[in-house]
Order: sequence, then C-alpha cells, then structure tokens
Amino acid sequence: EDKVVQSPLSLVVHEGDTVTLNCSYEVTNFRSLLWYKQEKKAPTFLFMLTSSGIEKKSGRLSSILDKKELFSILNITATQTGDSAIYLCAVPDRNQFYFGTGTSLTVIP
Amino acid sequence: DTAVSQTPKYLVTQMGNDKSIKCEQNLGHDTMYWYKQDSKKFLKIMFSYNNKELIINETVPNRFSPKSPDKAHLNLHINSLELGDSAVYFCASSQVGGSSPLHFGNGTRLTVT
Repeated sequence: EDKVVQSPLSLVVHEGDTVTLNCSYEVTNFRSLLWYKQEKKAPTFLFMLTSSGIEKKSGRLSSILDKKELFSILNITATQTGDSAIYLCAVPDRNQFYFGTGTSLTVIP
Repeated sequence: DTAVSQTPKYLVTQMGNDKSIKCEQNLGHDTMYWYKQDSKKFLKIMFSYNNKELIINETVPNRFSPKSPDKAHLNLHINSLELGDSAVYFCASSQVGGSSPLHFGNGTRLTVT
C-alpha cells in the first residue's frame, strides 16, 4: 500500500498564480516529512517538517504539516517559470525514505 | 566540496554486460541508499546501508549487488544487464533514523540497449 500520496499528479498554471500541492502519509513512527524539488537532476531539499501547525517559509515557498490529519501542503505564491519542476514529498520510516509519486508543476509565461 | 558524488553520470551499455556505479559521501552520514527512478519519476528504494551493514534490501533482483567498503562509500554492481534496468539510479545519504534530510547524488542515467 502507498505510504505517501501526492496530489495533484500534474498542474499547469500561469506565471503569477498561486499553487497548493498536497501530500498525505501513513507511517508507523512519524519523525518528519520532507519536500524536495526535482528539475533535470537530483531532487534538492526544500523543507523538513516535524511539528504540526508551524509554517516553514523560504521566499515564495511555504509548507505546513498537520500530524492529526496526516498531511502536508506546499504553497508557492507568485509562481515563476523557474518553479517548473517535480515536487516530491518523502517520509522516513523503518530505515528508508518513502516517496510519493510527485506533482509535476508547469508554469507558463 | 560535493556532498554526495556518484560516477559515472551516464552509462550506455548492451544487454548482458556487467557495470558498476560508485558513490561517495563526505557528510559524515551513517546511512547510505540506492534509489531507482523510473520513467514516471517514481523514486523507489533498492538498498539501505548503515555503517557498512545492509539494512534494507527491497525486492531487487540478485543481479544487483551493493558493496560498502566503509560508511562513506556505497557502490552498486549490476550483472547481466537487462533492458528493464534502464533508469536513473540515485545514491543518497542521511543520518540514521531519518532525523536529517536525505542528500542525493546527481544520479547515473543507465541505458541498456
């Protein structure tokens, strides 16, 4: 069964739009949830969330975790073409990191 | 000062050949991993090593054999390559227990013809 589920699978928006990406999870011993951005090469780390309700922010990107409802969202405001990428959510559990299928974001000029 | 480095970046080879991918991390992490990313970009764990000891071996054919000479290195050897092995292989490392982010190498794009 899938431990990490992301939605939507893909998204096409115009520059300047705001997007919300979703990640729900189910693991035995929750420690953290991580967001990554993948362009052409390796996934690059964005955020690590461990506590509910505390927003993490970096520029136009922000993320929050809800440990009661077992999900996280990643918000991107005022999107730019450079935000086009696959956004991956991951949760560590039992000596590995489980990844969702990713959300493919395309930002059109 | 690359954190996780893997070589080669690209590997093109014929079916039936044997190939190796090398990985090294200089982050002082205890745990290293091999992930396979398929054409749909799904990242799936193959192996996980903690301080040179194998701790995860997912349902990977035994043609794939990881080797960790020390905790900073995790190499992947693949025997009798098949078309279905074509993918991007990522090496990664983290502190044990997932208490720190996973750091990825730049990937090795393997193409089997």
